[in-house]
This record gives sequence, structure tokens and C-alpha cells, in this order.
Amino acid sequence: IAGITQAPTSQILAAGRRMTLRCTQDMRHNAMYWYRQDLGLGLRLIHYSNTAGTTGKGEVPDGYSVSRANTDDFPLTLASAVPSQTSVYFCASSPTGDNQPQHFGDGTRLSIL
Amino acid sequence: GQNIDQPTEMTATEGAIVQINCTYQTSGFNGLFWYQQHAGEAPTFLSYNVLDGLEEKGRFSSFLSRSKGYSYLLLKELQMKDSASYLCAVRDSNYQLIWGAGTKLIIKP
Repeated sequence: IAGITQAPTSQILAAGRRMTLRCTQDMRHNAMYWYRQDLGLGLRLIHYSNTAGTTGKGEVPDGYSVSRANTDDFPLTLASAVPSQTSVYFCASSPTGDNQPQHFGDGTRLSIL
Repeated sequence: GQNIDQPTEMTATEGAIVQINCTYQTSGFNGLFWYQQHAGEAPTFLSYNVLDGLEEKGRFSSFLSRSKGYSYLLLKELQMKDSASYLCAVRDSNYQLIWGAGTKLIIKP
């Protein structure tokens, strides 16, 4: 079944540790995105990539990095996790076109202690 | 700054009609999206508006007025499975989505 796969589903992590959230899509979408979702707030864009080989910063990029080596994969790395990064992280992708919606993975629930 | 406003929570009765409003102030406008998100799940796409007027998709309709910075999602013949959060998002001048905090819709029998 075509779609977006995120891993892990959930994780508890000690503060200061490094963590990479994985995201893979098989829809050949050009654009990919990482969001965090916190209670009472809208989805906030962390980083995005309009096409393989390019990345850009979103609204809340500090403490996170991404890479886009190919079309399918868009990993998100927390270099040194802090408790304020406790959140639900969603990866999304979209094809080219103004009216094209973003498609979301099932999310990673991350708790930083 | 950019802002999307939606009511935090609404309650409606099974079989009834409910209208969820969204007002926005963004730097530029390149379309408005509505998504549904069940608790603990990913958002799923419902509708897209870029021109003024009503877009109908089965039990769901979405309306847009660009001059008023306003949209609504209309859900008819409510079913218990419609209990979810409904997210309004506007694509800004940088073609990024700005998201509202979502409206939690509670359906009562």
C-alpha cells in the first residue's frame, strides 16, 4: 500500500541523547515536510524539502536537522534532545501542483526525559 | 504575524448539521485546506478551496471568502465517526501551510 512510513512509532529518550526519526514515502512525491504537533497548538513546520538535494527551514527549526539524499527518504535528527522537544512528530509529502494536499505519516510520539 | 483562528471545541447531535468556522490572516494566500484528524491518528485531507465559493464533497462542503479571510467546513447528516478534530490550513506566499490549532468536534447520540 502506497504511503508514508515513519519510525519509530514512539520513543522515550534521555535528554542530551541524539535521535533520528525516519520517514520514507513510496509515492514519488517531490516535496516532504516535518511537523511537530503540541496540545493546543497547530501543526508547526520544522523543516521541508521541495525536491531531493534541497532543504529549507520552517517555523521552528532550532535543535533539528534534516537531509534529503533521495526522493523517498527524509530523516529528522535531534542532535541533543531537550525536554521541550517532547511532541508528536509528523512527516508529510506532496506532489507538485497548487491544489495538491499533503499526505501524512502516522506520526512518532517522542518523550524527552 | 500569521494567524489562523478556529473554535477550540464544538458539540453536535448525530444526524444534524454543523458548521466549523476558520478565519485567517496570512502573508499571501495560495489556497485553504481542511483536514480531519481522529485522536491519535494522522491528519487526512478533506477539501481544498482557492476561489471564492462553495466546494461540495458528499456530506462535507467547504466555503471560502478571500475578501473576508474566512472559510467554513459544513458537515451534514453527522455520524458518530465524524467525532474528530478538524484542522484549517492556509498556504501562504512562500507556499508553506500555516495551520490552525484545530476544532474538536464531539458528536452526541
